[in-house]
Amino acid sequence: EVQLVESGGGLVQPGGSLRLSCEASGFTIDDYAMHWVRQPPGKGLEWVSGVTWKSGTLGYADSVKGRFTISRDNAKNSLYLQMNSLRAEDTALYYCAKDIGYGGDLGHFDYWGQGTLVTVSS
Amino acid sequence: EIVMTQSPATLSVSPGERATLSCRASQSVGSNLAWYQQKPGQAPRLLIYGASTRATYFPARFSGSGSGTEFTLTISSLQSEDFAVYYCQQYNDWPYTFGQGTKLEIK
Repeated sequence: EVQLVESGGGLVQPGGSLRLSCEASGFTIDDYAMHWVRQPPGKGLEWVSGVTWKSGTLGYADSVKGRFTISRDNAKNSLYLQMNSLRAEDTALYYCAKDIGYGGDLGHFDYWGQGTLVTVSS
Repeated sequence: EIVMTQSPATLSVSPGERATLSCRASQSVGSNLAWYQQKPGQAPRLLIYGASTRATYFPARFSGSGSGTEFTLTISSLQSEDFAVYYCQQYNDWPYTFGQGTKLEIK
């Protein structure tokens, strides 16, 4: 059974940093593109970042480019999001999502975690 | 960045009736369009991809159509479990972008 479990969220002051983790089970993350998608409280979805199969390409939303870094540890079957220079508008539930395409980046997501909440506030 | 616009923001429909949700892209995305269903307190679920291919765990009353810039999600006969928020998403180009969502509510 495919499972994605996020962790690392919490309350952080503006300008601070957090590192989110997503532990995957039931599949090998190295075989798929993986993504982070966020959802501010009561609002819609925003794709944040993705890393393609075999970590060939990294992509970021303009809103986080230069501040966030996506990475993966295949040995731990885990995905990460390093978030620096956090702003109030980064407050959201952050989901880890698995791309549907084996061995490629098809860009749509068939499994999602339950999310980890990041709150940026002083 | 490709902007996705959904309409209406809220749709009130009675159970058993048909619901039609729209999604427009600011430039052509071909058939690289997905729909997700999200219920309160839950993660989104992939519903449609390739504009018209339904995920196997959703029933046949859900269908998607369109290409280029205009897309439609149709639910032929609404059941109580279908009332949720629906998002479209383009994956033609990075950054991938979502529409703002359509809330489907019981009339």
